[in-house]
Amino acid sequence: DAMVIQNPRYQVTQFGKPVTLSCSQTLNHNVMYWYQQKSSQAPKLLFHYYDKDFNNEADTPDNFQSRRPNTSFCFLDIRSPGLGDAAMYLCATSSLRTGTGGGYTFGSGTRLTVV
Amino acid sequence: AQTVTQSQPEMSVQEAETVTLSCTYDTSENNYYLFWYKQPPSRQMILVIRQEAYKQQNATENRFSVNFQKAAKSFSLKISDSQLGDTAMYFCAFMKPREGGSEKLVFGKGTKLTVNP
Repeated sequence: DAMVIQNPRYQVTQFGKPVTLSCSQTLNHNVMYWYQQKSSQAPKLLFHYYDKDFNNEADTPDNFQSRRPNTSFCFLDIRSPGLGDAAMYLCATSSLRTGTGGGYTFGSGTRLTVV
Repeated sequence: AQTVTQSQPEMSVQEAETVTLSCTYDTSENNYYLFWYKQPPSRQMILVIRQEAYKQQNATENRFSVNFQKAAKSFSLKISDSQLGDTAMYFCAFMKPREGGSEKLVFGKGTKLTVNP
């Protein structure tokens, strides 16, 4: 089945140690998104790629970076994780080739713990 | 900026009964989309139902239906014949079409629904 896959499901990293979360998709969607979801809060958009164009949200800290080497893969890099970065990170895709307002397809998320 | 408010942090319902989850939003846009997403424990978020603002008819998907009141900016979700598998966090979300070449979802804080046997 076509899907969005996030690896790993659980990630533990040390305070200040760079960490990379990955997302892959088999849907051939042209837009990929990264959301941060903290406990009891709404998912918050960090950035997204529209094809190769990177779009950063104004309030996303510089500590968060992203790479999209091809259509299928997108990475979230946290350069120096702090305790406040512990959260669930959600990857999602959408296709603007099929029209607007189609909604997202989400991955299962990566839960990041910072120790 | 758009905001989405879900005023019920937690709700519970007995199996086979009906429950309604509330959502209000704030926007100055006339054309937009509204969604309900379901996030079961430790599982991925999936789309439950979608409503286009220019359509007056309320969307329905099997046991799930919405009450869309555009003037009141209200978008509630009704789950009929609740099942144990409906236990999940439910997020209401707003989307403007094609802003800057992409579409961004704005989520509410979610309502945790528990279906009791």
